[in-house]
Amino acid sequence: DAEITQSPRHKITETGRQVTLACHQTWNHNNMFWYRQDLGHGLRLIHYSYGVQDTNKGEVSDGYSVSRSNTEDLPLTLESAASSQTSVYFCASSERIEEDEQFFGPGTRLTVL
Amino acid sequence: EDQVTQSPEALRLQEGESSSLNCSYTVSGLRGLFWYRQDPGKGPEFLFTLYSAGEEKEKERLKATLTKKESFLHITAPKPEDSATYLCALSGTASKLTFGTGTRLQVTL
Repeated sequence: DAEITQSPRHKITETGRQVTLACHQTWNHNNMFWYRQDLGHGLRLIHYSYGVQDTNKGEVSDGYSVSRSNTEDLPLTLESAASSQTSVYFCASSERIEEDEQFFGPGTRLTVL
Repeated sequence: EDQVTQSPEALRLQEGESSSLNCSYTVSGLRGLFWYRQDPGKGPEFLFTLYSAGEEKEKERLKATLTKKESFLHITAPKPEDSATYLCALSGTASKLTFGTGTRLQVTL
């Protein structure tokens, strides 16, 4: 069965370190998304991609970057981790853009000390 | 700017006690209104998409409805396994999903 996976599931890091969160999907979807989820804010879009070599900023993109070298993967990099980036991160994918449901991964809980 | 507001924040029901969750929204051009279920420690799981006012969709004990300003998720005779956080999201002219903060539902025996 097709799926979307994230790794690691839990990560503890220190302020200032570079961190990369992996996202891999086997749906063969062109569209992939990264969100963060915090109490009181719901899910907020960080970055998204509509295909290979395409990346776009979401509403909370500062301090994060993504790259898309193939259809299956969209890694999220925190260039210099900050305590404000402690959160649960979800990756998602969809077949079409506006009207399709997004399929979510299980999430990565990141703690920045 | 697209906005989604969900109410109540939390809801506690007894098994069999039907109720509704509300999702009110503002959007300049609605492309789709989505409902997701999220269990603790897991990613959101898709439930429904509604595209136009008057549309309704059902799945087991859940029914989603849509007006021009609100969507409701009706839960009929809930069971403990329906306990979860229910998220509403919309896709508007910005071509991205805007999520509400969710309603945390607890169904007790």
